[in-house]
Amino acid sequence: DVVMTQSPLSLTVTPGQPASISCRSSQSLVHRDGNTYLNWFHQRPGQSPRRLIYEVSNRDSGVPDRFSGSGAGTDFTLKISRVEPEDVGVYYCVQRTYWPRAFGQGTKVEI
Amino acid sequence: EVQLVESGGGLVKPGGSLRLSCAASGFSFSNSWMNWVRQAPGKGLECVGRIASRAHGGTTDYAAPVKGRFTISRDDSKDTLYLQMNSLKTEDTAVYYCARDVLDFWGQGTLVTVSS
Repeated sequence: DVVMTQSPLSLTVTPGQPASISCRSSQSLVHRDGNTYLNWFHQRPGQSPRRLIYEVSNRDSGVPDRFSGSGAGTDFTLKISRVEPEDVGVYYCVQRTYWPRAFGQGTKVEI
Repeated sequence: EVQLVESGGGLVKPGGSLRLSCAASGFSFSNSWMNWVRQAPGKGLECVGRIASRAHGGTTDYAAPVKGRFTISRDDSKDTLYLQMNSLKTEDTAVYYCARDVLDFWGQGTLVTVSS
């Protein structure tokens, strides 16, 4: 099974400053159809996860453009250009290229 | 508006059974592959299983920890997804979410507690 490894696992940020989360997979996430199915999610306490980014770098509707995703193969990054107070919570990467889906351990972001 | 509403969670003893439901609306449920994902208290997200659309055979896949104990099914006439959980263990305690296979929409989750 694919293993997803996030770093750091915890991040304290200052509002207005950038933040970056890394996600590494144990094997390439390039699907035979040519797409790379790597998503990023944000989960606030007591809420369901919300998808932010799909297929590495595509922002979901309503997601602020301060969030961006990049990467290829086995190494991926979520960047927040200027952290806002509402960005606190846990961020997860997940791969959908293979079954079973594999989530990263989560990165807790605090202000 | 897409909505997924889970129900059926509760307290059950080890070895017991429970069936969760997920009522879908706002999208073509019958054409959608669906997933169950769970989250143990204070822990991360873990996939449980998925079911293909009828057009793709309605086949199911399960994560290793639940294979042979959990069964996913669907009733497209009711736009409802199910998770039958048997032989429950304390480590199955979690909030269970249903989500479309592309993981774009999730329900609010239902808590399952397995304890004596």
